[in-house]
Amino acid sequence: SQELEQSPQSLIVQEGKNLTINCTSSKTLYGLYWYKQKYGEGLIFLMMLQKGGEEKSHEKITAKLDEKKQQSSLHITASQPSHAGIYLCGAPSVRDNYGQNFVFGPGTRLSVLP
Amino acid sequence: GAVVSQHPSRVICKSGTSVKIECRSLDFQATTMFWYRQFPKKSLMLMATSNEGSKATYEQGVEKDKFLINHASLTLSTLTVTSAHPEDSSFYICSARGYMGFRDGYTFGSGTRLTVV
Repeated sequence: SQELEQSPQSLIVQEGKNLTINCTSSKTLYGLYWYKQKYGEGLIFLMMLQKGGEEKSHEKITAKLDEKKQQSSLHITASQPSHAGIYLCGAPSVRDNYGQNFVFGPGTRLSVLP
Repeated sequence: GAVVSQHPSRVICKSGTSVKIECRSLDFQATTMFWYRQFPKKSLMLMATSNEGSKATYEQGVEKDKFLINHASLTLSTLTVTSAHPEDSSFYICSARGYMGFRDGYTFGSGTRLTVV
């Protein structure tokens, strides 16, 4: 089954600093989703990437999917306390053509110090 | 865009009772719904996958008699935690996918925090 790994596990940065979170798949990705969550609350959809080399941006967050479609990075520019939370990458599994499952990485816990 | 409504958002129940959590796709037909559980400081773990009109497929280690999943229509799936115990206290979240396969995207409910006392 497909597994997603994320690094780092946790991250503490000073407000205003840039940061990058990585998500690596054991198999080719057929779509990669980034979410933000405050623990015990719902998921906030950030971005979805499907094509190799694709890059999307929303406000100060940029996500990229590598050409081989096995790794994605999420980059936050000039971080703010509002960026704090758990960042999860997720992807359809490759169990069948219709992605029977959707799995998540273990998450990266981000803290932004004011 | 696609919206998934999950209710209740929070529930407290007594040990031994059953609790039902609903997941509804509001503006699309969800052929497949997924149920996840999140332990404290852990990621979301897939519990089961349900396809409309058929039995749910449970992940290894998930008790199907404990967590009853029903997906009777294209817009509604329910998770019933039967004979709940304090160790079932957790955050549960559902997700729905439409007809066109994973390229449609996955839409998540807002989650349910279950506390069993």
